[in-house]
Amino acid sequence: DGGITQSPKYLFRKEGQNVTLSCEQNLNHDAMYWYRQDPGQGLRLIYYSQIVNDFQKGDIAEGYSVSREKKESFPLTVTSAQKNPTAFYLCASSIGKGRGGEKLFFGSGTQLSVL
Amino acid sequence: GDSVTQMEGPVTLSEEAFLTINCTYTATGYPSLFWYVQYPGEGLQLLLKATKADDKGSNKGFEATYRKETTSFHLEKGSVQVSDSAVYFCALTHSGTYKYIFGTGTRLKVLA
Repeated sequence: DGGITQSPKYLFRKEGQNVTLSCEQNLNHDAMYWYRQDPGQGLRLIYYSQIVNDFQKGDIAEGYSVSREKKESFPLTVTSAQKNPTAFYLCASSIGKGRGGEKLFFGSGTQLSVL
Repeated sequence: GDSVTQMEGPVTLSEEAFLTINCTYTATGYPSLFWYVQYPGEGLQLLLKATKADDKGSNKGFEATYRKETTSFHLEKGSVQVSDSAVYFCALTHSGTYKYIFGTGTRLKVLA
């Protein structure tokens, strides 16, 4: 089955530690996204990537970093500079290529908590 | 900038009741409009979408009509089931962009 796989489902971060969230897709989509979801709030865009080796900051990129070395993979690193990292993180993809009205396909999320 | 406003929840209904979740938007031009559903501990799934004025999106008994004159995209279902309990998000995007604007979500609880 085609889809997006996020791992791990639960992740705990210690003070001063960097952690990396994995996102893999086998939908052959060009565009990939990372969103942060806090309780009672909508989704906020952290980073997105339109093609391999290219990515752009979203609305809340500070304290996060990404890479896009392969089309299928878009890992997110939560650095120690992110002072409030506890949230549910969602990876998504879309066909890309600037087509209009595209739907987003989402992974099942990673819940990050601080120890 | 663009924005999406949803009614606050939770919305609590009895099984087989009629559902309306309001969504209004502010945007330039003609965005595409979406409803996504999120079940506990899961990611979002597309429920339905509409890409131009007066379009009606429908899926699994849910419907929403793109109303340009009232800038609205209200979600409706004639008879809800317990399995419809979830959080519903209204969202918009513009053609050729990678920016999606989501509402804050409305939690629906359906009681047997």
